[in-house]
Amino acid sequence: DARVTQTPRDKVTEMGQEVTMRCQPILGHNTVFWYRQTMMQGLELLAYFRNRAPLDDSGMPKDRFSAEMPDATLATLKIQPSEPRDSAVYFCASGLGDTQYFGPGTRLTVL
Amino acid sequence: SQQGEEDPQALSIQEGENATMNCSYKTSINNLQWYRQNSGRGLVHLILIRSNEREKHSGRLRVTLDTSKKSSSLLITASRAADTASYFCATAWANSGNTPLVFGKGTRLSVIA
Repeated sequence: DARVTQTPRDKVTEMGQEVTMRCQPILGHNTVFWYRQTMMQGLELLAYFRNRAPLDDSGMPKDRFSAEMPDATLATLKIQPSEPRDSAVYFCASGLGDTQYFGPGTRLTVL
Repeated sequence: SQQGEEDPQALSIQEGENATMNCSYKTSINNLQWYRQNSGRGLVHLILIRSNEREKHSGRLRVTLDTSKKSSSLLITASRAADTASYFCATAWANSGNTPLVFGKGTRLSVIA
């Protein structure tokens, strides 16, 4: 089965450090989404791309977060500098039609 | 916000019973989807119902959609312990395809063997 993969699965870091999360979407999917899940806020959209072009990143704190798609097989989400409030599970999802396929997530803990 | 809201927040039933979860949303939608999330894992797509559909079935799942009331329900029949998970409804913006989903807070279902 084709799956979305994400690395790392878990990341513990100290406040102020840079964090990079990677996602490999399902081959052939033209849309990639980044979501963040916390207990308080639930699942929130951070950014999404279609055909590698960013369409909406209004959900991201612009001063510290950045999302890119260097090529069709890789999406990255960077946080610099990280803060304790960034602790959450970050999901990547990809899709071609209306259904989205989620990766296993990266659990980020910022101390 | 057109965020969906699931009801109840938590549900505990015995194996073999049916589980019903409800979702309400606020604005016009293109489609509504239900996802399942097992603890510590990613979301798995269960079923999609379009705005012009009223009911849809998939195995033990039955989804209804009432656009006049802006509500949907997910019924799981003959529940199993393996159905224990959180269930989320998600809405997609009207008149757009493959757009971001807006998720509710979810219903935590516990099926007791």
